[in-house]
Amino acid sequence: GENVEQHPSTLSVQEGDSAVIKCTYSDSASNYFPWYKQELGKGPQLIIDIRSNVGEKKDQRIAVTLNKTAKHFSLHITETQPEDSAVYFCAASRFPGGGNKLTFGTGTQLKVEL
Amino acid sequence: DTAVSQTPKYLVTQMGNDKSIKCEQNLGHDTMYWYKQDSKKFLKIMFSYNNKELIINETVPNRFSPKSPDKAHLNLHINSLELGDSAVYFCASSQGRMAGGHSYNEQFFGPGTRLTVL
Repeated sequence: GENVEQHPSTLSVQEGDSAVIKCTYSDSASNYFPWYKQELGKGPQLIIDIRSNVGEKKDQRIAVTLNKTAKHFSLHITETQPEDSAVYFCAASRFPGGGNKLTFGTGTQLKVEL
Repeated sequence: DTAVSQTPKYLVTQMGNDKSIKCEQNLGHDTMYWYKQDSKKFLKIMFSYNNKELIINETVPNRFSPKSPDKAHLNLHINSLELGDSAVYFCASSQGRMAGGHSYNEQFFGPGTRLTVL
């Protein structure tokens, strides 16, 4: 089955700096890669996703890159703000087929310090 | 509000008891899921239902039984609760579709139910 590794497990940055979280996946058939943000006491919320037919996607201060050959994808947050502090999860799935099963990485605790 | 909702938000119970967690989505989605998040924040899928049919059943003890009375509801019943069942349980839903050669299958998560077994 799919295995997703995520690094780092914790990341501390100064406000205004950039943050990068990296993930690798094992199943070459995976074609959908979402990123979720989980704030304390809440459920994960989708912040951006990328499909295997594109290499990069950007939404304001958030961008995701995908390298299908190397089977890794990354989340980039620029101009970080205190409200970006949360746990971030990458995930991978195969759709259609695979039952839309999301395999999650182990999470990154991002702390943005003033 | 359109959302995925779960009840209860907190559940504290004794070992050996039977309990249920309810989930409802009003997003019109055809697929619903249950995930377990352990104390280390690791998220793992347990079950998935599509149009009331079970399509994913991970290696979960038989004490856990999902029930989907209709497309908008997926409840989780747990028998003979054990200490190791303590976790946060998340319900999610999605509507898989294909358009223009692209797949769209975003999953929307509920707020979670924190289960504590004493």
